Amino acid sequence: GENVEQHPSTLSVQEGDSAVIKCTYSDSASNYFPWYKQELGKRPQLIIDIRSNVGEKKDQRIAVTLNKTAKHFSLHITETQPEDSAVYFCASKGNDMRFGAGTRLTVKP
Amino acid sequence: GAVVSQHPSWVICKSGTSVKIECRSLDFQATTMFWYRQFPKQSLMLMATSNEGSKATYEQGVEKDKFLINHASLTLSTLTVTSAHPEDSSFYICSARLQGYYGYTFGSGTRLTVV
Repeated sequence: GENVEQHPSTLSVQEGDSAVIKCTYSDSASNYFPWYKQELGKRPQLIIDIRSNVGEKKDQRIAVTLNKTAKHFSLHITETQPEDSAVYFCASKGNDMRFGAGTRLTVKP
Repeated sequence: GAVVSQHPSWVICKSGTSVKIECRSLDFQATTMFWYRQFPKQSLMLMATSNEGSKATYEQGVEKDKFLINHASLTLSTLTVTSAHPEDSSFYICSARLQGYYGYTFGSGTRLTVV
């Protein structure tokens, strides 16, 4: 199937700093790009999403940008807090939903 | 709204036995249900896509005779792991989309341990 690549695999930041996670996709038919936060042993929770007809979307401390030409999209978390620590997955929806490998974010107090 | 209820949340079974996992859409009709498997510290890997009233579509490398998927109604999809082996031990999770809404809702997941 089509791939979604996600970087970095681990990210450690100081509380209050920003965190950026990047993903690239290969399926030209992809038109929906959600981001999920998953805590250990729990289901992924949708935190923000963006459709292909939008270049940027913001929700409080979280923002997502999409570059359809380059086929990449990014998650930006500002003013990070310890409770932001989790694994974050990007996903790309064309015919199917494909996930990136995940980024383990650690926010140090 | 858009809640997917998944049961059981965890199950331990002996090698060679079969285990059924259920996903129900509680307040919407899920014409399509996605089934994922997640190994520890890894991403969600799509196993199959089930459509109500038709055969499931399996991803390459997923044995359809081992992972039986049934989507007999608009609110229920089941995954049966047949003749389970220890290597089938994993976290299985379903996902569905509320029609007309772009987001996908996940079930709470099932941790399967085969001993």
